[in-house]
Amino acid sequence: GAVVSQHPSWVICKSGTSVKIECRSLDFQATTMFWYRQFPKQSLMLMATSNEGSKATYEQGVEKDKFLINHASLTLSTLTVTSAHPEDSSFYICSATLAGDLYEQYFGPGTRLTVT
Amino acid sequence: AQSVTQLDSQVPVFEEAPVELRCNYSSSVSVYLFWYVQYPNQGLQLLLKYLSGSTLVKGINGFEAEFNKSQTSFHLRKPSVHISDTAEYFCAVTQKGNMLTFGGGTRLMVKP
Repeated sequence: GAVVSQHPSWVICKSGTSVKIECRSLDFQATTMFWYRQFPKQSLMLMATSNEGSKATYEQGVEKDKFLINHASLTLSTLTVTSAHPEDSSFYICSATLAGDLYEQYFGPGTRLTVT
Repeated sequence: AQSVTQLDSQVPVFEEAPVELRCNYSSSVSVYLFWYVQYPNQGLQLLLKYLSGSTLVKGINGFEAEFNKSQTSFHLRKPSVHISDTAEYFCAVTQKGNMLTFGGGTRLMVKP
């Protein structure tokens, strides 16, 4: 149980275009989803927290107009990287928490974004 | 505020040798502690967690960790490692209702 999927697993896009990454909780309802960014050989950095039906809360230094997060349902959150640049190339990982469970996060497999 | 320190960025070890990956945390209140493993180009997989109760926690793949409140540590151990254990290991801490805070990670390199 508690499986989280991400789509796509990897994507290459041209500079200036936008790309959408989906995060789905497959067998549970996720009231809260988190988006992380991971640079090579580094730890995970929290970008934002999204709650179903409300606006995402962004961490300091994360541009909300560049990284658009939508949590439209209890099983789906999306991260859209707008006007992507090569420096946005990274590994993006989402996680989700079970409704009523505030301490354990279940992680997706990650999405490798390369901007050329 | 809570923070996590993984003292070793890399740990090389020979196959079948024991290993300990160190993790220290700082927090003024009760915390929940986790160890995750990440294989190349993959997400995080939970190895084990400490929520309450016994301070010795057993996880998957033969790993275990011991919560030491006086030393604010949660070191991960395995008595005999395999080549397949080569991966990045992350220690993380959270307080109920708060965000996970990750350590910097430790790269375990198992050599034949």
